[in-house]
Amino acid sequence: EVQLVQSGAEVKKAGESLKISCKVSGYSFIRYWIGWVRQMPGKGLEWMGIINPGDSDTRYNPSFQGQVTISVDKSITTAFLQWSSLKASDTAMYYCARGEITFDYWGQGTLVTVSS
Amino acid sequence: DIQMTQSPSSLSTSVGDRVTITCRASQSVSSYLNWYQQKPGKAPKVLIYATSSLQSGVPSRFSGSGSGTDFTLTISNLQPEDFATYYCHQSYRKPNTFGQGTKLEIK
Repeated sequence: EVQLVQSGAEVKKAGESLKISCKVSGYSFIRYWIGWVRQMPGKGLEWMGIINPGDSDTRYNPSFQGQVTISVDKSITTAFLQWSSLKASDTAMYYCARGEITFDYWGQGTLVTVSS
Repeated sequence: DIQMTQSPSSLSTSVGDRVTITCRASQSVSSYLNWYQQKPGKAPKVLIYATSSLQSGVPSRFSGSGSGTDFTLTISNLQPEDFATYYCHQSYRKPNTFGQGTKLEIK
């Protein structure tokens, strides 16, 4: 069974760093790209970027480039999304999802709350 | 970036109705168009991929059509579990983009 299991909710202060994870199981990790999608409170879906776990080729949405870093650790079949300095405007639900053309499996989401 | 515009933004409808949601792209996305359903507090779920292919396990009352810049998602014989928000998603060019969503509400 394909599963993407994300790390738990986080409450942080502005300026702090954060790394959230997406643990994959049930398929060959390196065969499918993994993407990250942001959903701000009460808003729609935003494509942040995707990564090829096989070679770590990463494509960012220019709106998020430089603001976040997407990475993987093949040894533990896990993808990551990280911030070096959070802002209050980073408060959102973040989803990981499998696929480059279609997101066919999704994680349950990680809620990140940043207070100023 | 390719802009995806859905209409309507919300729709009040009834069980048993036939519903059509449209998605227009600011430039051609060929057939790289997907549709997702999202229920409150849940992750999105793919319904239709590549414009008209039904994802495994999705009821056949969901269908998609279109090409180029204009696409539709049709739900026939609306069921209580279909009241949710629907998003189109183009994966033709990066950055991929989503429509703003269409919320189906019970009349």
